[in-house]
Amino acid sequence: GAVVSQHPSWVICKSGTSVKIECRSLDFQATTMFWYRQFPKQSLMLMATSNEGSKATYEQGVEKDKFLINHASLTLSTLTVTSAHPEDSSFYICSVPGLADYNEQFFGPGTRLTVL
Amino acid sequence: KQEVTQIPAALSVPEGENLVLNCSFTDSAIYNLQWFRQDPGKGLTSLLLIQSSQREQTSGRLNASLDKSSGRSTLYIAASQPGDSATYLCAADNYGQNFVFGPGTRLSVLP
Repeated sequence: GAVVSQHPSWVICKSGTSVKIECRSLDFQATTMFWYRQFPKQSLMLMATSNEGSKATYEQGVEKDKFLINHASLTLSTLTVTSAHPEDSSFYICSVPGLADYNEQFFGPGTRLTVL
Repeated sequence: KQEVTQIPAALSVPEGENLVLNCSFTDSAIYNLQWFRQDPGKGLTSLLLIQSSQREQTSGRLNASLDKSSGRSTLYIAASQPGDSATYLCAADNYGQNFVFGPGTRLSVLP
């Protein structure tokens, strides 16, 4: 399966600052990547679909101006949490769909964000 | 709107026991259903994927079944080991709507 990395693995920041999270597909090119968010003891929730060369598609209730997604290349998508607040503290995970089976997804290790 | 639930929320068993994790979904029009494992602080590992036309999938000590008509899937783990301790998530994939995840079952296998 695909190897997906995320950086950083964890980050602590002050309220009001912006944080960038990177998602990389290491062994194949991905025109699409997915971003998920998981709050403690809750389900993983899809935030947005990142599309290489075009605008991301956001799920209902996700503020696109707050969660900026840039899919600059076929191997890299970034999620920037702008003006982060404590309620944004969460576990952010990206995934890459498989080439053979689009419905099989390969997940990154996740990034734990804590906003003080 | 698809909703996915899982029971139990947490389960603790002694090593060697066979166990069943349950997943229910409200919309039977799914493309596939997938079971994942999540270790603390880490991302997800895909365990088994069952296409809508399939009834079950097996991988090693794991067996997952799918009953679309009743909106249920089960994950059977045989001869559990302490290394199986993790949170298990099921996710239903509706056509074109990506995955809807359940809240997970936290499994602890005691040595």
